Amino acid sequence: DTEVTQTPKHLVMGMTNKKSLKCEQHMGHRAMYWYKQKAKKPPELMFVYSYEKLSINESVPSRFSPECPNSSLLNLHLHALQPEDSALYLCASSQRTGTLNEKLFFGSGTQLSVL
Amino acid sequence: ILNVEQSPQSLHVQEGDSTNFTCSFPSSNFYALHWYRWETAKSPEALFVMTLNGDEKKKGRISATLNTKEGYSYLYIKGSQPEDSATYLCAFNPNFGNEKLTFGTGTRLTIIP
Repeated sequence: DTEVTQTPKHLVMGMTNKKSLKCEQHMGHRAMYWYKQKAKKPPELMFVYSYEKLSINESVPSRFSPECPNSSLLNLHLHALQPEDSALYLCASSQRTGTLNEKLFFGSGTQLSVL
Repeated sequence: ILNVEQSPQSLHVQEGDSTNFTCSFPSSNFYALHWYRWETAKSPEALFVMTLNGDEKKKGRISATLNTKEGYSYLYIKGSQPEDSATYLCAFNPNFGNEKLTFGTGTRLTIIP
């Protein structure tokens, strides 16, 4: 199984809602990533988890709260988002941490719209 | 902020023709350069990870070269097929131990049957 599964594929939420994005991989990868991509822009790193511990937070606003409950699962909890947070949220994983000379495996993303 | 640029932004190529596009990155520090293919409504898929100056990688009709001293990589597609239509992204990592990849904006390739 070389898949990274993201759910839901689409999400529409109001600014007062709380929702969560879910990402799962069963490849035994020890690094997991959240990226955000706005239209016509490159994917931008948000968070990196290494061995289930948060190792990078790219100064992401606290209305985004990541969680890695176990080595296969990565969540992104959303609360009080703004319309400008509407974007495609991509999850990725890689086998090892601390080095990026090996490929990332991506999910197909969650398209988020904040109304 | 690292500047990773890809050119052209978009490209239309006749089926059967060969094509290439460029990824430019800072040449001051280099650790790894990634290429991904991203078809609409699918996941980005890794094509190559390149780490050595002068590296050449090949996967079927697709190949890539790397020049770390001048800060560029070329992706070549030989005999384009409709299934090659996708956005091709490069991503750059300047340092060992750095878990952050900086992506370019991509080259959107459309193959005309």
